[in-house]
Amino acid sequence: GAVVSQHPSRVICKSGTSVKIECRSLDFQATTMFWYRQFPKQSLMLMATSNEGSKATYEQGVEKDKFLINHASLTLSTLTVTSAHPEDSSFYICSARGWGEAGELFFGEGSRLTVL
Amino acid sequence: SQQGEEDPQALSIQEGENATMNCSYKTSINNLQWYRQNSGRGLVHLILIRSNEREKHSGRLRVTLDTSKKSSSLLITASRAADTASYFCATDGTDKLIFGTGTRLQVFP
Repeated sequence: GAVVSQHPSRVICKSGTSVKIECRSLDFQATTMFWYRQFPKQSLMLMATSNEGSKATYEQGVEKDKFLINHASLTLSTLTVTSAHPEDSSFYICSARGWGEAGELFFGEGSRLTVL
Repeated sequence: SQQGEEDPQALSIQEGENATMNCSYKTSINNLQWYRQNSGRGLVHLILIRSNEREKHSGRLRVTLDTSKKSSSLLITASRAADTASYFCATDGTDKLIFGTGTRLQVFP
């Protein structure tokens, strides 16, 4: 099946620094990737839809300047949390649509961000 | 934006028993999907049911969809301890998946 790799799996940073999370589709090309955020024991909240070669589409309430998304190639999308604060600490998960059953998403293993 | 509401929020059963989770949603959909998430991990796709389908099976999984009631159910038969995880429904209506609140399933050996 399709594989999505996410890196890093865990990151701890100081308040005010920026953190980049990478999401790669390893064995297929993904024109669209999705970034989700998940708080402990809660559901996934869609942050933005990342489109290769164009600007990301952000969900209502998500700060574009805070969460920078770049989808420069068909296999890589990045999420940069800029000037991170403790409230940005969360589990960030990326996903991409594969070429299997229509609509199925393949997920990365997630990145746990802790901002001190 | 949160689309689906799932119940129960948490479910504890013994191995061998069946587990049923329900999902309700608000708007029209193209399909509805169920995913599983082990603690601290990514999600794994379980099954997809299209809006024109009413029931679908995959191994020990049985999914139903009632578009008139905007609801779906996931049944796991003959549960195993390894089925312990969180289960989420996700609705696909506008080219993006919106996830439900999830059900935490605990299966005791």
